[in-house]
Amino acid sequence: EAGVAQSPRYKIIEKRQSVAFWCNPISGHATLYWYQQILGQGPKLLIQFQNNGVVDDSQLPKDRFSAERLKGVDSTLKIQPAKLEDSAVYLCASSPPTGSNEKLFFGSGTQLSVL
Amino acid sequence: QKEVEQDPGPLSVPEGAIVSLNCTYSNSAFQYFMWYRQYSRKGPELLMYTYSSGNKEDGRFTAQVDKSSKYISLFIRDSQPSDSATYLCAMRNSGNTPLVFGKGTRLSVIA
Repeated sequence: EAGVAQSPRYKIIEKRQSVAFWCNPISGHATLYWYQQILGQGPKLLIQFQNNGVVDDSQLPKDRFSAERLKGVDSTLKIQPAKLEDSAVYLCASSPPTGSNEKLFFGSGTQLSVL
Repeated sequence: QKEVEQDPGPLSVPEGAIVSLNCTYSNSAFQYFMWYRQYSRKGPELLMYTYSSGNKEDGRFTAQVDKSSKYISLFIRDSQPSDSATYLCAMRNSGNTPLVFGKGTRLSVIA
């Protein structure tokens, strides 16, 4: 079974630039999550999708972050404009449609450095 | 007080040692408790999952939950160098609420 795919693996940008991350979840997984993991911290949920719809985006900084899930499958997360404090690993995760949303399957993440 | 507290370590043990990893939490509504393992430059992977209080064993790993003390533990028996990773505790309420993660404890098992 293929895992959660993310790209790119690494990204270096200057502050005030924009950046986008892409995620392809495990086939058949209805729920998709984007997490931000700052060095030395645990992952923090940014946004949760159930199929096409947003379930929770309460911790998404909406003035600069946006996310969409195309046709209930792939998802993109965008930051515009980036700030220094956005330097982190951005993890995508998905979970199967059986209600077990604690059993998350994570991708390897995109490491973002904002200079 | 943070919702979930976890000592970041690092923790270094010799091969074959018993490892004890712990988290405390403040939210008494948490009912689902997990341990994730994260290797360097990889995403976390689910290791153990426990509902409410009690123990759960899976091979060399044992998870314990003490809701009265708001304390959870992960024990690793006969630790191996391949166990070297960061261990994250995570927990949540009932319903479709998001997981709250600890900071993670970095473990090194020395051969």
